[in-house]
Amino acid sequence: DSGVTQTPKHLITATGQRVTLRCSPRSGDLSVYWYQQSLDQGLQFLIQYYNGEERAKGNILERFSAQQFPDLHSELNLSSLELGDSALYFCASSLGGITYEQYFGPGTRLTVT
Amino acid sequence: AQKVTQAQTEISVVEKEDVTLDCVYETRDTTYYLFWYKQPPSGELVFLIRRNSFDEQNEISGRYSWNFQKSTSSFNFTITASQVVDSAVYFCALSELGNEKLTFGTGTRLTIIP
Repeated sequence: DSGVTQTPKHLITATGQRVTLRCSPRSGDLSVYWYQQSLDQGLQFLIQYYNGEERAKGNILERFSAQQFPDLHSELNLSSLELGDSALYFCASSLGGITYEQYFGPGTRLTVT
Repeated sequence: AQKVTQAQTEISVVEKEDVTLDCVYETRDTTYYLFWYKQPPSGELVFLIRRNSFDEQNEISGRYSWNFQKSTSSFNFTITASQVVDSAVYFCALSELGNEKLTFGTGTRLTIIP
């Protein structure tokens, strides 16, 4: 158990809908990272927050957004969903900084039908 | 741009055999970190090791060992006396100074045959 929690574990929704994925980092970690794992794109970095502020952005679609709240939990919002958004979404956390490893949550499997 | 290549898509070995998973990376930075993660059938990503670019010493942890060679830009992972529980997808990843994101390879699916 990495100490990172993600909810829900599974999500099935229809095209055009909007969903919110939630992540609670390990106790003491200030950085939260979101990654997407799909069959065609592999594991890709989406976005990073550090202590409430956006720190880095990767290949995140404009339809996707995220935020980190004062209690350090984070939410990833996916809107106008398409079939191609079906994937496993991971949240990871670390103390912040390149010298610290990222610990991953169990992931949320999103299926768009 | 940073890139990680895991040329072995799938490997199968019989239990108790040794197996090496290859990882080749590309980066322009002199300071970077390399990682290995394990993804068992249950789906979570489990951290195995982190190595910085200034430490080329090989590392051993039980049946696992890692060989880092800057001259060939490789960070290979060896499992000795493999066990069925080692069956998983293994990912090599890279992060560069000033950019904490992990760039992952495509993974190697390892199957240990009992």
